[in-house]
Amino acid sequence: QVQLQESGPGLVKPSETLSLTCTVSGGSISSYYWSWIRQPPGKGLEWIGYIYYSGSTNYNPSLKSRVTISVDTSKNQFSLKLSSVTAADTAVYYCASSSGYDWAPDWYFDLWGRGTLVTVSS
Amino acid sequence: QSALTQPASVSGSPGQSITISCTGTSSDVGGYNYVSWYQQHPGKAPKLMIYDVSNRPSGVSNRFSGSKSGNTASLTISGLQAEDEADYYCSSYTSSSTPLVFGTGTKVTVL
Repeated sequence: QVQLQESGPGLVKPSETLSLTCTVSGGSISSYYWSWIRQPPGKGLEWIGYIYYSGSTNYNPSLKSRVTISVDTSKNQFSLKLSSVTAADTAVYYCASSSGYDWAPDWYFDLWGRGTLVTVSS
Repeated sequence: QSALTQPASVSGSPGQSITISCTGTSSDVGGYNYVSWYQQHPGKAPKLMIYDVSNRPSGVSNRFSGSKSGNTASLTISGLQAEDEADYYCSSYTSSSTPLVFGTGTKVTVL
């Protein structure tokens, strides 16, 4: 079955850029919406944004100025870049998928990666 | 966009039924049938339990059910089992600047 796996550095310095990749295995990245969601330690979930396999994106306005999500269909991967990070960006970052249509996603996530903890510290 | 409001904790004995509420506004929960619920065990990724207010994904026990009235959605767990002890989060589409908002989360304890 389709699986998602996050990868990337577990430690990022303040003011630098956090970069994560999600690899989709067991299925094609096409025809789905791909999101990043984060969870600070001991806290709730926050949707960061999504990308459609075609490349269209939608970001959380609270993070929009710092976020870029991209897709590489040839590698069956999509990626997250979050710039100018601070300690407040320390969180477990999840990649997740949604079905939907060309004009809008289904607003629920039926498949999640295991998550990866990213700590922002000097 | 503020998070949807959930009780911090709910508890029940094995076999009992419990209900978790998720309160929003007419711009999110009350305005759209796009409420979903997730179960999260410690150290694990969230798992989709209910989508579009009351639909269960394949493989999810029918002990879990969802409903909505006005600006409040609810998740009911019937026949409570030890394995149901986890954190639960609701989420909803919203017409505000952020298209998706999560709830504050509820810790379910099986006594």
